[in-house]
Amino acid sequence: KAGVTQTPRYLIKTRGQQVTLSCSPISGHRSVSWYQQTPGQGLQFLFEYFSETQRNKGNFPGRFSGRQFSNSRSEMNVSTLELGDSALYLCASTTDYPGADTQYFGPGTRLTVL
Amino acid sequence: GESVGLHLPTLSVQEGDNSIINCAYSNSASDYFIWYKQESGKGPQFIIDIRSNMDKRQGQRVTVLLNKTVKHLSLQIAATQPGDSAVYFCAEGSSASKIIFGSGTRLSIRP
Repeated sequence: KAGVTQTPRYLIKTRGQQVTLSCSPISGHRSVSWYQQTPGQGLQFLFEYFSETQRNKGNFPGRFSGRQFSNSRSEMNVSTLELGDSALYLCASTTDYPGADTQYFGPGTRLTVL
Repeated sequence: GESVGLHLPTLSVQEGDNSIINCAYSNSASDYFIWYKQESGKGPQFIIDIRSNMDKRQGQRVTVLLNKTVKHLSLQIAATQPGDSAVYFCAEGSSASKIIFGSGTRLSIRP
């Protein structure tokens, strides 16, 4: 099976812009979770989608949003970018519940906000 | 609140020696624990997992030990190799819940 794929791999934006990141889960996986990883904060949970519905949400402002399509592919959007949004954004997929079974991660999208 | 933490942020080990990475968790309801390895520029890679009904599980060169009495998890890597250099994360979860990650331990290998 192909692993989790994320596009683009690298992105450079300026403050105030918006960005959309894409994630394709492993075939058959219906749960997709998004994480933000920074050197100072480690892995922080953004949100999780299952069957096109947001099932869990982390403590991030409303500028961070996401969605999931019927084929389980997911996108996340960050509007009005701030310098502090520079990070590695990771997507992970699993069959059902992230806490109950193995999550497999993609390579991440490195976002730099100038 | 619940938290998963690591005792040491960095660990330096001689090549060929065994490595032991420790992790403490606080949520006694967690019943699933995972170790991930993250190499520079890559996403976390699954290494091994263990359910709460077990106290030991072995993989290829890796062993995970779970001590529910003291809420402690450890990852043992046998005969550490240069390719084992990475950041290692422990994580905890339970049915119908999100997973919680620890802050990570950087493992470096001395030649």
